[in-house]
Amino acid sequence: DVQLVQSGVEVKRAGESLKISCKGSGYSFSTHWIAWVRQMPGEGLEWMGIIYPRDSDARYNPSLQGRVSMSADPAIDTAYLQWNSLKASDTAMYYCARQIATGTGWFDTWGQGTLVTVSS
Amino acid sequence: IQVTQSPSSVSASVGDRVIITCRASQNIGDYLNWYQHTPGAAPRLLIYSASSLPIGVPSRFTGDGSGTDFTLTISSLQPEDFATYYCQQSDTTPWTFGQGTKVEI
Repeated sequence: DVQLVQSGVEVKRAGESLKISCKGSGYSFSTHWIAWVRQMPGEGLEWMGIIYPRDSDARYNPSLQGRVSMSADPAIDTAYLQWNSLKASDTAMYYCARQIATGTGWFDTWGQGTLVTVSS
Repeated sequence: IQVTQSPSSVSASVGDRVIITCRASQNIGDYLNWYQHTPGAAPRLLIYSASSLPIGVPSRFTGDGSGTDFTLTISSLQPEDFATYYCQQSDTTPWTFGQGTKVEI
């Protein structure tokens, strides 16, 4: 089965750094784009960006203003989302999702989500 | 590109037909997808490319539309369909989601 398994709940303080992960299995991880999607408390879904694990080509939502970075390690079938300095406004559920094919823009498999809580 | 869903919520009963609409701020062809999101679960792809059904999605879900106006129809609501539904445009990055439609009992 195609699966994405994300790292667990994180509770952090503002100013701290954080790296969450998303591990794929059951398919060729390196050749499928991985997107990150955010859901802030009480809000809808927001596309954060997408990365191609094979060469780490990444595209970001301009609304993030460079506050996060995406990376991937195809050797261990894992993608990452990283912050250098968290803010309380980063409190959200974060999902990774697989794009079925380049350019399609839709996501057929999702991780279970990583809840990030940042206190000020 | 902005996508606007309506209604924001709908109350319905098992067996009802439910229609959710999504309007894009510009022509996006058929680059419109629909997801179902149940609390505590990962979002689930329901419809891609406006009207295509992924394997495993029940046939009571249908998508229609092109250009700027799209619909998701649930022909006969089942208990497991009570959830929030999102449309998403994949024509131009940043890809954007609608604000969601909550289907409630």
